[in-house]
Amino acid sequence: ELKVEQNPLFLSMQEGKNYTIYCNYSTTSDRLYWYRQDPGKSLESLFVLLSNGAVKQEGRLMASLDTKARLSTLHITAAVHDLSATYFCAVDMGFFRTSGSRLTFGEGTQLTVNP
Amino acid sequence: EAGVAQSPRYKIIEKRQSVAFWCNPISGHATLYWYQQILGQGPKLLIQFQNNGVVDDSQLPKDRFSAERLKGVDSTLKIQPAKLEDSAVYLCASSFFQIYNEQFFGPGTRLTVL
Repeated sequence: ELKVEQNPLFLSMQEGKNYTIYCNYSTTSDRLYWYRQDPGKSLESLFVLLSNGAVKQEGRLMASLDTKARLSTLHITAAVHDLSATYFCAVDMGFFRTSGSRLTFGEGTQLTVNP
Repeated sequence: EAGVAQSPRYKIIEKRQSVAFWCNPISGHATLYWYQQILGQGPKLLIQFQNNGVVDDSQLPKDRFSAERLKGVDSTLKIQPAKLEDSAVYLCASSFFQIYNEQFFGPGTRLTVL
């Protein structure tokens, strides 16, 4: 059974600081997604990582994937209050060419950025 | 393009009652997913449809949960009878067959079972 673990689960940081959220998973996969969820809202797709060594950046967020280590990271640079949300990684074990993706989500990292 | 639509947005029922949720995926998306998200946890896949066929329902509690996707477009998820532990947000997502099958999520239905 695939296990996806995120750490930390709770992160409180000051504006302007840098930090990294880690996502470890237990079974080989080369497709991983990062989502953002605001309180009471649905999930918003942030990054799609499709191969070993993939790196994607959008604004103050950068995600990377190391399939050999079964590890993805979400790095936050110079945090601002608007980044406060819960961040989920999700590992895809589906045979997407025939049946679509099959996501297993981590527990989520609740990020609070304080002024 | 319009996103994934779900209704109702909120539902409160007594235990042992039945409830149904509706989902309309993004136009042209062949794959539809239902997830259960319990407060403080990540979403858990309940059932996955490819057009109107079930691809994966291994985590669906079939004694009380059922889902259908007639005509390969809209889908309904039903719980009968509901238990207290079914209180959660039920999320619908859809994806199009493309190289990475990114899933797009609807706003969810928040169910409270009293």
